[in-house]
Amino acid sequence: QQQVKQSPQSLIVQKGGISIINCAYENTAFDYFPWYQQFPGKGPALLIAIRPDVSEKKEGRFTISFNKSAKQFSLHIMDSQPGDSATYFCAASMEGDSNYQLIWGAGTKLIIKP
Amino acid sequence: GAGVSQSPSNKVTEKGKDVELRCDPISGHTALYWYRQRLGQGLEFLIYFQGNSAPDKSGLPSDRFSAERTGESVSTLTIQRTQQEDSAVYLCASSLSGSDTQYFGPGTRLTVL
Repeated sequence: QQQVKQSPQSLIVQKGGISIINCAYENTAFDYFPWYQQFPGKGPALLIAIRPDVSEKKEGRFTISFNKSAKQFSLHIMDSQPGDSATYFCAASMEGDSNYQLIWGAGTKLIIKP
Repeated sequence: GAGVSQSPSNKVTEKGKDVELRCDPISGHTALYWYRQRLGQGLEFLIYFQGNSAPDKSGLPSDRFSAERTGESVSTLTIQRTQQEDSAVYLCASSLSGSDTQYFGPGTRLTVL
């Protein structure tokens, strides 16, 4: 029940296309869903996050779509660029519970072809 | 601006030797995490420190692995009698609390020959 399942494991998208990465969770107590971006040789860094009171959050070319009833959330990258090539991790937690950790997805390696 | 720092950045050791990896978290962050990331793989949780609470050691793969943290400052991850399968990048992260945004260091790349 604590797992976050992420798919696909890898993704190749043409420059200018839309990249979509999906995550699913079981624990309905989760109330915070961040996405992290990791470039080779670097640690992951927070990209965008959403709480379940909204169904969508957009920051520039990056959008999180959240479906509470389906217990799924996804990251959409519009107009994908070669610089977006990285590994993306979704995660979930119960925000406000200081003893509760982020539960991580397995990651998606995204390659944007020029 | 001081982020999370880790040292050394690279460590090459011989099988059977002990290694010690260091993490300096962001000042004021009560939560600190260690993760292992094998080449091309996801984040493998190792250990979690939250303030003065007992650490969550549930991710440590064997008794060769241990970690310490003094108060809300530096943490060290120790691997005794290293094995080749210990080769990986060891990432440290800190956050204001357990559920908050985690800020990662650059990692220590450990190679066991």
